[in-house]
Amino acid sequence: ELKVEQNPLFLSMQEGKNYTIYCNYSTTSDRLYWYRQDPGKSLESLFVLLSNGAVKQEGRLMASLDTKARLSTLHITAAVHDLSATYFCAGDDALVTGTASKLTFGTGTRLQVTL
Amino acid sequence: ETGVTQSPTHLIKTRGQQVTLRCSSQSGHNTVSWYQQALGQGPQFIFQYYREEENGRGNFPPRFSGLQFPNYSSELNVNALELDDSALYLCASSSIRGTEAFFGQGTRLTVV
Repeated sequence: ELKVEQNPLFLSMQEGKNYTIYCNYSTTSDRLYWYRQDPGKSLESLFVLLSNGAVKQEGRLMASLDTKARLSTLHITAAVHDLSATYFCAGDDALVTGTASKLTFGTGTRLQVTL
Repeated sequence: ETGVTQSPTHLIKTRGQQVTLRCSSQSGHNTVSWYQQALGQGPQFIFQYYREEENGRGNFPPRFSGLQFPNYSSELNVNALELDDSALYLCASSSIRGTEAFFGQGTRLTVV
């Protein structure tokens, strides 16, 4: 059974600083997803990482995947207040089950960017 | 914004009652998955529907049931509501071998 752990659970950072959120998973996960959630809202897809060594960047966010270490990271560069939200990573074992979208989520990292 | 729509957006029910939540999947997507997200937690997989049949289930009791219709829309039914069922319920649509799941805006269920 796939288990996903994120750390830290809460992150307070100043604008302009860099930081990394870590996502470890317990067994083979064929894909790794990162989502953003604003309070009371649904999940917004940020990145889908499909293979070992995959790196994707969008604005101040960059995600990477190391399947050998069973680790994904979400790196935030020069944080701005608009990035304040909760970030979730999720894995699935689509190649085992044959079906995407049976996602196992981490507990989330609540990011607060202060001025 | 995704093409996945859920209704209603908010709902208040009394313990013991039954509730039906609805989800219309994105055009071209034939798979719908349902998740429960309690306050301060990550979403938990409830079940998935593909071609009108259940295609995998998480650790939820049988009083959580669902349907998928020929147009791929889906319903989540919860019987005998308990206080702990209060949560945000999310549906996600995808194609059966697609690489991405798109979430609807969710239904906030409060059980009193």
